Amino acid sequence: EPEVTQTPSHQVTQMGQEVILRCVPISNHLYFYWYRQILGQKVEFLVSFYNNEISEKSEIFDDQFSVERPDGSNFTLKIRSTKLEDSAMYFCASRIRGWGQETQYFGPGTRLLVL
Amino acid sequence: AQSVTQPDIHITVSEGASLELRCNYSYGATPYLFWYVQSPGQGLQLLLKYFSGDTLVQGIKGFEAEFKRSQSSFNLRKPSVHWSDAAEYFCAVVPLAAGNKLTFGGGTRVLVKP
Repeated sequence: EPEVTQTPSHQVTQMGQEVILRCVPISNHLYFYWYRQILGQKVEFLVSFYNNEISEKSEIFDDQFSVERPDGSNFTLKIRSTKLEDSAMYFCASRIRGWGQETQYFGPGTRLLVL
Repeated sequence: AQSVTQPDIHITVSEGASLELRCNYSYGATPYLFWYVQSPGQGLQLLLKYFSGDTLVQGIKGFEAEFKRSQSSFNLRKPSVHWSDAAEYFCAVVPLAAGNKLTFGGGTRVLVKP
């Protein structure tokens, strides 16, 4: 069964450094998402992406965040200058296009630790 | 305000006993409803979903959920839990005609006693 994959599974970085989190969505999916889960808190929506542009973003997704689909398979989340409070589990999700196709499938997550 | 509430933060259940996890939502129209499970150190796995139709939906791993419009609820149940069901369970919604992001409840952590 096709799966969403994410790399790396864990990343440790110094505050102020740039990180890029990578995701490979399911191949025939057209909507892509990033969510994050700070330890002990709710899973929160960050951004959705469709047709090579952001379709919706949360207030968390400020100018230090960006997303890109650099080729036909990868979907990336970049954090330009990491802060301590960016430490979280980051989940990528994808879904197919179509009525009644709102189910999002999640990857295993990247645990980011900012020191 | 629009929200998803899971009233129980922790539930402890004995192996073989039944389990019910509560979920309530507050939206003007019934949203699309989902239950996801997160095992320790793992990602989010879809258990089941409700879009329309039969209000009792079956999912994977022996779980089912019942949609009750009058109570704005979508409770998850399992008749007999296994030790492997120890995990965190998230109720989530996608509101109709309001974008397509998932809004999650706070989660319920299930502990299974031998």
